[in-house]
Amino acid sequence: KNEVEQSPQNLTAQEGEFITINCSYSVGISALHWLQQHPGGGIVSLFMLSSGKKKHGRLIATINIQEKHSSLHITASHPRDSAVYICAVDEKGTYKYIFGTGTRLKVLA
Amino acid sequence: NAGVTQTPKFQVLKTGQSMTLQCAQDMNHEYMSWYRQDPGMGLRLIHYSVGAGITDQGEVPNGYNVSRSTTEDFPLRLLSAAPSQTSVYFCASSREYSNQPQHFGDGTRLSIL
Repeated sequence: KNEVEQSPQNLTAQEGEFITINCSYSVGISALHWLQQHPGGGIVSLFMLSSGKKKHGRLIATINIQEKHSSLHITASHPRDSAVYICAVDEKGTYKYIFGTGTRLKVLA
Repeated sequence: NAGVTQTPKFQVLKTGQSMTLQCAQDMNHEYMSWYRQDPGMGLRLIHYSVGAGITDQGEVPNGYNVSRSTTEDFPLRLLSAAPSQTSVYFCASSREYSNQPQHFGDGTRLSIL
């Protein structure tokens, strides 16, 4: 069983739809990260969370530490949001990040 | 700031050859790490460093060496390339390990024939 699991693995949405990507983890963490990887391959950090909720533009990330679960929401989705979204955690007591396998999102015009 | 710079972007090697993937950052970050990304799998940690002179193994270290003689540079060496090392390699850095956003290089696509 992977220590960080994401769902769904693949997601296709129509432009304008509200999108939710989920991440569950089984280890103690200091923080959780949401990353975006575009088809060109580069990886950028979207959010870092240790509690509560963060918002940046149309993106919202939430975390529930007790339930070991985080969600990434995209409001009013757009084709340019098409990318792979990756969840990663800072495992407490180690110096090792653990990554989920990613959610491939395609937003159709 | 250039951020995290990886070179080369693409490389083809023959089995048994050695090479070094370069990674440099200009943000004075203490934590640096190397990952490989394979289809259907998450990024997997190869080696990491928490500061100059300090390195340690990650999840998949076999066949790779690293060194950290300066804060800025963290090269990854393939000792004797094998087809199983065909992958996309990413270098990343952060100010320190915990509770810091990671900055990634653009990746190196490596094929071993």
